[in-house]
Amino acid sequence: QVQLQESGPGLVKPSETLSLTCTVSGGSISTYYWSWIRQPPGKGLEWIGYIYSSGRSINYNPTLKSRVTILADTSKNEFSLKLDSVTAADTAVYYCARALDGFDYYFDFWGQGTLVTVSS
Amino acid sequence: DIVMTQSPDSLVVSLGERATINCKSSQNVLYSSNNKNYLAWYQQKPGQSPKLLIYRASTRESGVPDRFSGSGSGTDFTLTISSLRAEDVAVYYCQQYYSPPYSFGQGTKLEIK
Repeated sequence: QVQLQESGPGLVKPSETLSLTCTVSGGSISTYYWSWIRQPPGKGLEWIGYIYSSGRSINYNPTLKSRVTILADTSKNEFSLKLDSVTAADTAVYYCARALDGFDYYFDFWGQGTLVTVSS
Repeated sequence: DIVMTQSPDSLVVSLGERATINCKSSQNVLYSSNNKNYLAWYQQKPGQSPKLLIYRASTRESGVPDRFSGSGSGTDFTLTISSLRAEDVAVYYCQQYYSPPYSFGQGTKLEIK
């Protein structure tokens, strides 16, 4: 059974960089597509981007593209999210999730999520 | 970008009754080469991460009870819960994966009457 676990600071100051890591167990990140998705408190879901095969394919949501970097570390079986120049609008629960492939891009496994608050 | 719009925003249904949630996409999500609709449904209970219920518009994920069903094609889709149980209280989201940026509906909150 695939399991995903997000980790990282729960509080980030405005204008700084949000950094999160998703550790995957029960499967290799060298296959499948691995995404970050966020959910502001009380609101809906927003796809941030994905990485496939250690970076062979990367795709970001255009609304965040200028500030987002997703990387993978196959030696640790984890992938990461960096979001630059954060504001209060970036306060959200951040989820990592798995999608099967480039066609069936629905999310079959999710992490429990981690709340990141942007505040001074 | 494809915009997903769900209706209603909230729904109150009695135990044992049918619940119906609609999802409309701003563009067609039917892939003509394989006749598959690239549309998924998720259930999110309070304090939990979303759970995949349905993919390809009508295929139930393994382990999902058969009271959950999905239908529709092209731009109009429906999630139906045939006989509501107390544990079905949740927010339900549709998602299109026809083209990035992959987008979700705003969610429908389902409550028990």
